[in-house]
Amino acid sequence: GAGVSQSPSNKVTEKGKDVELRCDPISGHTALYWYRQSLGQGLEFLIYFQGNSAPDKSGLPSDRFSAERTGGSVSTLTIQRTQQEDSAVYLCASSLTGPPRGDTQYFGPGTRLTVL
Amino acid sequence: LAKTTQPISMDSYEGQEVNITCSHNNIATNDYITWYQQFPSQGPRFIIQGYKTKVTNEVASLFIPADRKSSTLSLPRVSLSDTAVYYCLVGSYYYQLIWGAGTKLIIKP
Repeated sequence: GAGVSQSPSNKVTEKGKDVELRCDPISGHTALYWYRQSLGQGLEFLIYFQGNSAPDKSGLPSDRFSAERTGGSVSTLTIQRTQQEDSAVYLCASSLTGPPRGDTQYFGPGTRLTVL
Repeated sequence: LAKTTQPISMDSYEGQEVNITCSHNNIATNDYITWYQQFPSQGPRFIIQGYKTKVTNEVASLFIPADRKSSTLSLPRVSLSDTAVYYCLVGSYYYQLIWGAGTKLIIKP
């Protein structure tokens, strides 16, 4: 079946603008994750959804970042008033059940965000 | 929280076996150990997961000693296409998912 998809694949924006990043998880996967990866770095966990709920948003770097998930499926990560330090690849992953069973996360191709 | 340590980079040659070791001294009882592979401009891809002893699948083996404070990913007979960054992930609950810095593996002809 189809894997995790993300859109757009690339986004260039000006400092101060708002951006929305979209993630379509694998059908039937209840857990959804957002990560950020800066150039040459490892992944930074942002937020986790179980169904439509986000039990913990403490990974979000500031209050300019927010995320929602509707219908237990599509998720949107919104960054308000973008800053140059927000430039990174934003990765979405989904898994069948999520922690604590440690099941496999399947990643999308990512959205490369560049803030000028 | 479990913290992982991996070599920053490794080189090997086609046809060789490659072993990448990850240290996780503070691993918790409920934590699994998972390895991912990442090619440039792509999201990470699951390779293998284990809890203890040895796990083998069609692409790799994972060796975990009894104390579980480290793990070794073994890639048999590597090819040029195995050139990638390899991440060691330790955790169970979502807020314990700590990614290592990754090991950049370069395979030479």
